[in-house]
Amino acid sequence: GEEVAQTPKHLVRGEGQKAKLYCAPIKGHSYVFWYQQVLKNEFKFLISFQNENVFDETGMPKERFSAKCLPNSPCSLEIQATKLEDSAVYFCASSHAGSINYGYTFGSGTRLTVV
Amino acid sequence: AQKITQTQPGMFVQEKEAVTLDCTYDTSDQSYGLFWYKQPSSGEMIFLIYQGSYDEQNATEGRYSLNFQKARKSANLVISASQLGDSAMYFCAMRPQGGSEKLVFGKGTKLTVNP
Repeated sequence: GEEVAQTPKHLVRGEGQKAKLYCAPIKGHSYVFWYQQVLKNEFKFLISFQNENVFDETGMPKERFSAKCLPNSPCSLEIQATKLEDSAVYFCASSHAGSINYGYTFGSGTRLTVV
Repeated sequence: AQKITQTQPGMFVQEKEAVTLDCTYDTSDQSYGLFWYKQPSSGEMIFLIYQGSYDEQNATEGRYSLNFQKARKSANLVISASQLGDSAMYFCAMRPQGGSEKLVFGKGTKLTVNP
């Protein structure tokens, strides 16, 4: 399809619980990006994939965050033992490879609330 | 490292007037792209306009135009004939050469259009 599909739209977790977010990129887009947006302000880059391979994980808090993009499955972002500060909107985006003027297509985001 | 600076946390404009949202950037890359996104209160990210670093003409998309001044490293967004529906957060972003690279975002400007 022509949209990046993120599920669920909203997720509430108690502190210490696990959270798993999903993203289906646009078919044919080989790059997937995850961003965290706190309080509708700054976008923090987390991780990117080229197909199934991690491309850039410089933004990932590796102790509790992990992500995968497996063939024929939605990509996922998992947070083990959530903390209050993980409350944010998590955006997934996908893009074409290799050309600077290809912008991203963003999903509608998953709002994670940790209570 | 790339950096985007948006110095206006909030802007107000009267309906039907034009408004300029400022964006400056810092990069050592020779080839890069500049993007503007709109984020309404509903939260989705809407792509507005793109400018390539080698583009000689300023980009325009309907009521949106990008005032690109390469020597000053600025990429201001101009919205003409503001509408109430333009009230939203606006993010400037850049991406170095190659579709694989992550977007770097500014902190955003909240635009309010008054009737």
